[in-house]
Amino acid sequence: KNEVEQSPQNLTAQEGEFITINCSYSVGISALHWLQQHPGGGIVSLFMLSSGKKKHGRLIATINIQEKHSSLHITASHPRDSAVYICAVRGRGSTLGRLYFGRGTQLTVWP
Amino acid sequence: DVKVTQSSRYLVKRTGEKVFLECVQDMDHENMFWYRQDPGLGLRLIYFSYDVKMKEKGDIPEGYSVSREKKERFSLILESASTNQTSMYLCASSLFRLNSYNEQFFGPGTRLTVL
Repeated sequence: KNEVEQSPQNLTAQEGEFITINCSYSVGISALHWLQQHPGGGIVSLFMLSSGKKKHGRLIATINIQEKHSSLHITASHPRDSAVYICAVRGRGSTLGRLYFGRGTQLTVWP
Repeated sequence: DVKVTQSSRYLVKRTGEKVFLECVQDMDHENMFWYRQDPGLGLRLIYFSYDVKMKEKGDIPEGYSVSREKKERFSLILESASTNQTSMYLCASSLFRLNSYNEQFFGPGTRLTVL
Protein backbone atom coordinates (compact mmCIF):
# COMPACT_ATOMS: atom_id res chain seq x y z
CA LYS A 1 0.00 0.00 0.00
CA ASN A 2 1.25 3.44 -0.95
CA GLU A 3 1.83 5.80 1.97
CA VAL A 4 0.33 8.61 -0.11
CA GLU A 5 -2.96 8.31 -1.98
CA GLN A 6 -4.24 10.88 -4.46
CA SER A 7 -7.62 11.28 -6.06
CA PRO A 8 -8.78 11.50 -8.69
CA GLN A 9 -6.21 9.88 -10.95
CA ASN A 10 -7.53 11.78 -13.96
CA LEU A 11 -9.54 14.98 -14.05
CA THR A 12 -11.05 16.84 -16.99
CA ALA A 13 -12.52 20.31 -16.62
CA GLN A 14 -13.86 23.16 -18.69
CA GLU A 15 -12.03 26.47 -18.56
CA GLY A 16 -13.20 28.53 -15.59
CA GLU A 17 -14.21 25.59 -13.40
CA PHE A 18 -13.13 25.21 -9.78
CA ILE A 19 -10.91 22.17 -9.35
CA THR A 20 -10.03 20.12 -6.28
CA ILE A 21 -7.36 17.41 -6.02
CA ASN A 22 -7.17 15.38 -2.83
CA CYS A 23 -4.27 13.74 -1.03
CA SER A 24 -4.39 11.39 1.96
CA TYR A 25 -1.40 9.96 3.75
CA SER A 26 -0.93 7.27 6.36
CA VAL A 27 2.32 8.27 8.11
CA GLY A 28 3.32 11.05 10.46
CA ILE A 29 4.77 13.87 8.44
CA SER A 30 6.87 16.96 8.91
CA ALA A 31 5.81 18.54 5.64
CA LEU A 32 3.59 17.99 2.62
CA HIS A 33 4.44 19.21 -0.86
CA TRP A 34 2.36 19.85 -3.94
CA LEU A 35 4.31 19.57 -7.19
CA GLN A 36 3.40 20.31 -10.79
CA GLN A 37 4.73 18.45 -13.82
CA HIS A 38 4.10 19.76 -17.31
CA PRO A 39 4.37 17.63 -20.45
CA GLY A 40 8.05 17.13 -21.15
CA GLY A 41 8.88 16.13 -17.61
CA GLY A 42 10.06 19.10 -15.56
CA ILE A 43 8.73 19.16 -12.00
CA VAL A 44 8.31 22.35 -10.00
CA SER A 45 7.30 22.85 -6.41
CA LEU A 46 4.02 24.69 -5.88
CA PHE A 47 3.60 24.57 -2.10
CA MET A 48 5.11 23.21 1.05
CA LEU A 49 2.70 22.88 3.98
CA SER A 50 3.01 21.77 7.56
CA SER A 51 -0.28 23.28 8.74
CA GLY A 52 -3.21 25.44 7.68
CA LYS A 53 -3.55 26.95 4.25
CA LYS A 54 -1.44 28.66 1.61
CA LYS A 55 -2.45 30.66 -1.46
CA HIS A 56 -0.54 31.61 -4.56
CA GLY A 57 -2.48 33.30 -7.29
CA ARG A 58 -5.33 30.98 -8.30
CA LEU A 59 -3.90 28.05 -6.37
CA ILE A 60 -4.84 27.23 -2.80
CA ALA A 61 -3.46 24.36 -0.72
CA THR A 62 -4.88 23.22 2.61
CA ILE A 63 -3.85 20.57 5.08
CA ASN A 64 -5.62 18.92 8.01
CA ILE A 65 -2.97 17.24 10.13
CA GLN A 66 -5.47 15.42 12.36
CA GLU A 67 -7.25 13.88 9.39
CA LYS A 68 -4.00 13.34 7.43
CA HIS A 69 -5.49 14.99 4.39
CA SER A 70 -4.57 17.80 2.02
CA SER A 71 -6.34 19.43 -0.89
CA LEU A 72 -5.11 21.48 -3.82
CA HIS A 73 -7.67 23.86 -5.30
CA ILE A 74 -7.46 25.74 -8.57
CA THR A 75 -9.90 28.60 -9.02
CA ALA A 76 -10.94 29.79 -12.49
CA SER A 77 -9.02 26.99 -14.19
CA HIS A 78 -7.25 27.68 -17.48
CA PRO A 79 -5.87 25.38 -20.20
CA ARG A 80 -2.33 26.27 -19.10
CA ASP A 81 -3.12 24.57 -15.77
CA SER A 82 -3.16 21.24 -17.64
CA ALA A 83 -0.43 19.18 -16.01
CA VAL A 84 0.18 16.34 -13.60
CA TYR A 85 -0.17 17.38 -9.96
CA ILE A 86 1.76 15.34 -7.43
CA CYS A 87 1.40 15.19 -3.67
CA ALA A 88 4.51 14.25 -1.69
CA VAL A 89 5.19 13.94 2.03
CA ARG A 90 8.31 14.12 4.11
CA GLY A 91 8.19 11.68 7.01
CA ARG A 92 8.48 12.98 10.55
CA GLY A 93 12.06 12.50 11.71
CA SER A 94 13.42 12.24 8.19
CA THR A 95 16.85 13.81 8.26
CA LEU A 96 17.73 13.22 4.65
CA GLY A 97 14.80 15.00 3.03
CA ARG A 98 13.44 11.88 1.40
CA LEU A 99 9.94 12.33 -0.01
CA TYR A 100 7.15 9.80 -0.52
CA PHE A 101 5.03 10.49 -3.57
CA GLY A 102 1.44 10.00 -4.60
CA ARG A 103 0.80 8.62 -8.07
CA GLY A 104 -0.23 11.97 -9.46
CA THR A 105 -3.40 13.50 -10.88
CA GLN A 106 -3.52 14.22 -14.60
CA LEU A 107 -5.51 17.44 -15.06
CA THR A 108 -6.76 18.49 -18.48
CA VAL A 109 -8.54 21.84 -18.84
CA TRP A 110 -10.38 22.42 -22.12
CA PRO A 111 -11.00 25.91 -23.53
CA ASP B 1 18.84 30.53 -11.02
CA VAL B 2 19.11 27.05 -9.54
CA LYS B 3 19.72 24.29 -11.99
CA VAL B 4 19.70 20.52 -12.21
CA THR B 5 20.70 19.18 -15.60
CA GLN B 6 20.55 15.69 -17.03
CA SER B 7 22.81 14.49 -19.81
CA SER B 8 20.09 13.46 -22.27
CA ARG B 9 16.37 14.17 -22.74
CA TYR B 10 15.83 11.06 -24.84
CA LEU B 11 17.90 7.89 -25.02
CA VAL B 12 17.41 4.65 -26.95
CA LYS B 13 19.49 1.62 -25.98
CA ARG B 14 19.50 -2.09 -26.74
CA THR B 15 18.93 -4.90 -24.26
CA GLY B 16 22.16 -5.81 -22.50
CA GLU B 17 23.89 -2.48 -23.04
CA LYS B 18 25.48 -0.61 -20.15
CA VAL B 19 23.76 2.74 -19.75
CA PHE B 20 24.97 5.84 -17.93
CA LEU B 21 22.60 8.63 -16.92
CA GLU B 22 24.32 11.74 -15.64
CA CYS B 23 22.94 14.42 -13.36
CA VAL B 24 24.68 17.66 -12.45
CA GLN B 25 23.53 20.35 -10.00
CA ASP B 26 25.06 23.77 -9.52
CA MET B 27 23.56 24.57 -6.10
CA ASP B 28 26.19 22.89 -3.88
CA HIS B 29 23.50 20.54 -2.58
CA GLU B 30 24.49 17.61 -0.39
CA ASN B 31 21.53 15.37 -1.24
CA MET B 32 20.90 13.92 -4.68
CA PHE B 33 18.20 11.49 -5.78
CA TRP B 34 17.39 9.27 -8.74
CA TYR B 35 13.75 8.39 -9.46
CA ARG B 36 11.93 6.56 -12.17
CA GLN B 37 8.44 7.54 -13.18
CA ASP B 38 6.00 5.16 -14.82
CA PRO B 39 2.33 5.72 -15.76
CA GLY B 40 0.04 4.81 -12.90
CA LEU B 41 2.94 4.25 -10.49
CA GLY B 42 4.22 7.76 -9.91
CA LEU B 43 7.74 8.59 -8.80
CA ARG B 44 9.71 5.79 -7.20
CA LEU B 45 13.07 6.26 -5.54
CA ILE B 46 15.93 4.18 -6.96
CA TYR B 47 18.93 5.51 -5.02
CA PHE B 48 19.93 8.59 -3.13
CA SER B 49 23.18 10.10 -1.91
CA TYR B 50 23.76 12.47 1.00
CA ASP B 51 27.46 13.09 0.42
CA VAL B 52 30.30 12.34 -1.94
CA LYS B 53 30.89 8.60 -2.22
CA MET B 54 27.85 7.92 0.04
CA LYS B 55 24.77 6.17 -1.31
CA GLU B 56 21.62 4.59 0.01
CA LYS B 57 19.19 2.23 -1.70
CA GLY B 58 15.72 3.50 -2.34
CA ASP B 59 12.63 1.41 -2.98
CA ILE B 60 13.61 -0.16 -6.32
CA PRO B 61 17.42 -0.43 -6.57
CA GLU B 62 17.51 -3.80 -8.35
CA GLY B 63 19.25 -3.58 -11.72
CA TYR B 64 20.78 -0.18 -10.97
CA SER B 65 23.91 1.20 -9.38
CA VAL B 66 25.06 4.76 -8.73
CA SER B 67 28.24 6.76 -8.46
CA ARG B 68 28.95 10.05 -6.68
CA GLU B 69 32.61 10.95 -7.07
CA LYS B 70 32.01 14.73 -6.96
CA LYS B 71 29.47 16.69 -4.99
CA GLU B 72 27.79 18.17 -8.04
CA ARG B 73 27.45 14.96 -10.06
CA PHE B 74 25.33 11.86 -9.45
CA SER B 75 25.33 9.08 -12.03
CA LEU B 76 22.83 6.28 -12.46
CA ILE B 77 24.15 3.11 -14.11
CA LEU B 78 22.16 0.33 -15.71
CA GLU B 79 24.70 -2.48 -15.82
CA SER B 80 22.76 -4.51 -18.39
CA ALA B 81 19.71 -2.69 -19.66
CA SER B 82 16.46 -4.61 -19.93
CA THR B 83 13.15 -3.71 -21.57
CA ASN B 84 11.46 -3.32 -18.17
CA GLN B 85 13.81 -0.42 -17.47
CA THR B 86 12.15 1.63 -20.19
CA SER B 87 10.95 4.64 -18.23
CA MET B 88 11.32 8.33 -17.46
CA TYR B 89 14.27 8.93 -15.13
CA LEU B 90 14.35 12.04 -12.97
CA CYS B 91 17.18 13.39 -10.90
CA ALA B 92 16.72 15.78 -7.98
CA SER B 93 18.87 17.54 -5.41
CA SER B 94 18.34 19.27 -2.09
CA LEU B 95 20.24 20.80 0.77
CA PHE B 96 20.94 18.74 3.88
CA ARG B 97 19.50 20.47 6.92
CA LEU B 98 18.30 18.59 9.98
CA ASN B 99 14.62 19.03 10.83
CA SER B 100 14.10 21.56 8.11
CA TYR B 101 12.25 21.85 4.87
CA ASN B 102 14.56 20.79 2.09
CA GLU B 103 12.93 21.53 -1.23
CA GLN B 104 13.94 19.11 -3.92
CA PHE B 105 14.87 20.62 -7.28
CA PHE B 106 14.27 18.37 -10.24
CA GLY B 107 16.03 17.94 -13.53
CA PRO B 108 14.11 17.83 -16.82
CA GLY B 109 14.14 14.04 -16.99
CA THR B 110 15.57 11.45 -19.38
CA ARG B 111 13.13 9.29 -21.29
CA LEU B 112 14.94 5.97 -21.77
CA THR B 113 13.73 3.34 -24.20
CA VAL B 114 15.34 -0.10 -24.11
CA LEU B 115 14.70 -2.16 -27.24
